[in-house]
Amino acid sequence: KQEVTQIPAALSVPEGENLVLNCSFTDSAIYNLQWFRQDPGKGLTSLLLIQSSQREQTSGRLNASLDKSSGRSTLYIAASQPGDSATYLCAVSGYNNDMRFGAGTRLTVKP
Amino acid sequence: EPEVTQTPSHQVTQMGQEVILRCVPISNHLYFYWYRQILGQKVEFLVSFYNNEISEKSEIFDDQFSVERPDGSNFTLKIRSTKLEDSAMYFCATDLSSYGYTFGSGTRLTVV
Repeated sequence: KQEVTQIPAALSVPEGENLVLNCSFTDSAIYNLQWFRQDPGKGLTSLLLIQSSQREQTSGRLNASLDKSSGRSTLYIAASQPGDSATYLCAVSGYNNDMRFGAGTRLTVKP
Repeated sequence: EPEVTQTPSHQVTQMGQEVILRCVPISNHLYFYWYRQILGQKVEFLVSFYNNEISEKSEIFDDQFSVERPDGSNFTLKIRSTKLEDSAMYFCATDLSSYGYTFGSGTRLTVV
């Protein structure tokens, strides 16, 4: 059974810092990996989707990488802003169409 | 931008009652999912639905739960005889092949 782990569980940084969030998964036979943002009490907003054949995806200040063989993904956030404060979730999809989530990293960016 | 719409946003029900959570998927999407998130815990997969039938379900999705697409547009999750531990945020998601999930904003279910 696929297990997804995210480190750290929480992170607090001053505004302007670059930061890296980590995600690892136990079964490398994945279809794709997706990073989401979740604000308190709200739904899930998709940030980046990486197909299993891809190595990275970029959107604005966000860059996500995927190393399928080692079961790792990172989300890099450049020049962090207070508005980036949220919980970031990593989720992997298998070939049977179910998505497994990590517990998330709760990010606080201080002004 | 196309959205997945869920109703109601918040539902309070008495233990033992049946509830139906509704989702309107993005119109050309083919795959439909329900997930739940108990407060403070991980988002958990419940069920996937394709071509009018369940394609995958988790161990959580027992006989208490059912899904259907009654009219070709809505996608519903029915929970029979709700229990206190069913209190959670329930998310609907849809997917067009491999383009990634789009989630709805969720229904907060509170069982009292």
